[in-house]
Amino acid sequence: GAVVSQHPSWVICKSGTSVKIECRSLDFQATTMFWYRQFPKQSLMLMATSNEGSKATYEQGVEKDKFLINHASLTLSTLTVTSAHPEDSSFYICSANLGRLNTEAFFGQGTRLTVV
Amino acid sequence: AQSVTQPDIHITVSEGASLELRCNYSYGATPYLFWYVQSPGQGLQLLLKYFSGDTLVQGIKGFEAEFKRSQSSFNLRKPSVHWSDAAEYFCAVGAGTTGGFKTIFGAGTRLFVKA
Repeated sequence: GAVVSQHPSWVICKSGTSVKIECRSLDFQATTMFWYRQFPKQSLMLMATSNEGSKATYEQGVEKDKFLINHASLTLSTLTVTSAHPEDSSFYICSANLGRLNTEAFFGQGTRLTVV
Repeated sequence: AQSVTQPDIHITVSEGASLELRCNYSYGATPYLFWYVQSPGQGLQLLLKYFSGDTLVQGIKGFEAEFKRSQSSFNLRKPSVHWSDAAEYFCAVGAGTTGGFKTIFGAGTRLFVKA
């Protein structure tokens, strides 16, 4: 199957700083990637759809200015958590599909963000 | 709107016993359905998927799921549970968007296995 890689796997940062998480499709091109957030013992909630070469589409209630998404190439999307606060601590997971009409998503291994 | 309901927050079964995890979906068109497993602190692993055809789907690790359109259900089953199956299980539906298919997850069911 297709491989999606996230980096870093975990990160600790201080309140007020920004953190960038990368999501790469290693063996295929992804015009669309998805970013999810998972709080402890909860489900994965879709945050936004990352579109290569255009603006991301955010789900209702997700702050665009706080969670900056950039999809500069067909194999890389980045999520930047700006001015992080402890409540932003969470597990962030990205996914990509093999193609626009492909219904199966391939997930990265996730990034554990802890803001202290 | 598309949604997935997993009515059981957690389930406990004895090792060797059979397992059934419930999943109901709401989707206007033909659903693309998935079951994922997540161990603590880990990413997601796809157990099986249903796109079309045979409504009984076989997956990895001895899991299977049956799609029942009349009941809008896609329950996951395993005839004999192993202690290593203890994990969080997510049912999901693939929903079409302009950019592709996004995955909508149920709340998850945590499986505990007792010796």
